[in-house]
Amino acid sequence: DGGITQSPKYLFRKEGQNVTLSCEQNLNHDAMYWYRQDPGQGLRLIYYSQIVNDFQKGDIAEGYSVSREKKESFPLTVTSAQKNPTAFYLCASSMWDRSDTQYFGPGTRLTVL
Amino acid sequence: GQQLNQSPQSMFIQEGEDVSMNCTSSSIFNTWLWYKQDPGEGPVLLIALYKAGELTSNGRLTAQFGITRKDSFLNISASIPSDVGIYFCAGRTSGTYKYIFGTGTRLKVLA
Repeated sequence: DGGITQSPKYLFRKEGQNVTLSCEQNLNHDAMYWYRQDPGQGLRLIYYSQIVNDFQKGDIAEGYSVSREKKESFPLTVTSAQKNPTAFYLCASSMWDRSDTQYFGPGTRLTVL
Repeated sequence: GQQLNQSPQSMFIQEGEDVSMNCTSSSIFNTWLWYKQDPGEGPVLLIALYKAGELTSNGRLTAQFGITRKDSFLNISASIPSDVGIYFCAGRTSGTYKYIFGTGTRLKVLA
């Protein structure tokens, strides 16, 4: 089955700890994205990556870091510098061609206690 | 960051009624995407549009890419209870991988 997987579905961490969210895709997509969604809100872009070993900051990158060592993987680290990390995190990917569309994973709900 | 203006913010409708929602942007887009999100899940792609004036259907859903390339519309005909959810539009301009998302339309269907 082709698709995007995110793990875990629910994650709890203590304040001050870094945490890494996993995102894997087997769609052979070039680009990958991380979004944050707060209750009742839309999606805000954290980071995105067009190709391996390259990524750009989105609108709310402060307190987050990413890496793109492999085409199929784009992990997101929520650092202790992120002031309000509790949120729903969504990973997505897309192909860069005429029929570009962006597909989402199932999301990870992070709760910082 | 920039966001699209999506309206209405929420809708309460009776089962069987038709629904219309739209998104407008100050920028010209090359691609418009429409998604549906259920609570606690990732958005699911409903319809993708690539050309000004394009009209595309997916079952009871129909979406259009506005002629000005700054707007898009989504219609749902004969709504059913499982249409409940949040509908998002998203657009992309030429030369960028970055998508801009609308604020969402929350749809509730009364049986």
